[in-house]
Amino acid sequence: DADVTQTPRNRITKTGKRIMLECSQTKGHDRMYWYRQDPGLGLQLIYYSFDVKDINKGEISDGYSVSRQAQAKFSLSLESAIPNQTALYFCATSDWDMNTEAFFGQGTRLTVV
Amino acid sequence: GENVEQHPSTLSVQEGDSAVIKCTYSDSASNYFPWYKQELGKRPQLIIDIRSNVGEKKDQRIAVTLNKTAKHFSLHITETQPEDSAVYFCAARYNQGGKLIFGQGTELSVKP
Repeated sequence: DADVTQTPRNRITKTGKRIMLECSQTKGHDRMYWYRQDPGLGLQLIYYSFDVKDINKGEISDGYSVSRQAQAKFSLSLESAIPNQTALYFCATSDWDMNTEAFFGQGTRLTVV
Repeated sequence: GENVEQHPSTLSVQEGDSAVIKCTYSDSASNYFPWYKQELGKRPQLIIDIRSNVGEKKDQRIAVTLNKTAKHFSLHITETQPEDSAVYFCAARYNQGGKLIFGQGTELSVKP
């Protein structure tokens, strides 16, 4: 089945380290998103991309960067991780038609110590 | 700004009762409103969605209503069952940029 795959699934890293979370999809979708989930705060949009040449900041982009290496790959980087970036991170994809479902990856649980 | 407010944050009901979750949005141009269910340790998954040309949509025990004038939409679950226990998220697709903005989530607990 076509899916959205995130790697790694779990990661513990130290403050100040650089870390990359990767997302790949086999759904053939153009739109890709990175969200962060914290208890009580819902899913907050970090970055989104509509194609390899289009990258947009979301609600909480400070401290993060992204790269759209191909239509199927969208990576999220923390250049210098800090403890309050400890969260569950989700990648999502959707078709070009804006009025269609977004599909989520399994999530990456990141802990910064 | 672009915002989706969701209430309540937690909801506890007895099995068989109904549950209602409400959301408001800020962009009058929004035209797509999905609802996602997230079970413990799992990814969010779509359960129902509604588009701006429809006021109500129903799928078995789940229904969604949309009031574009008031900029709010609601999820209704009837005859709740323990397996309905999960976190539910509403979302709105903002016309400018097409980004999908989520509410803060509602943790629903259905007691047997």
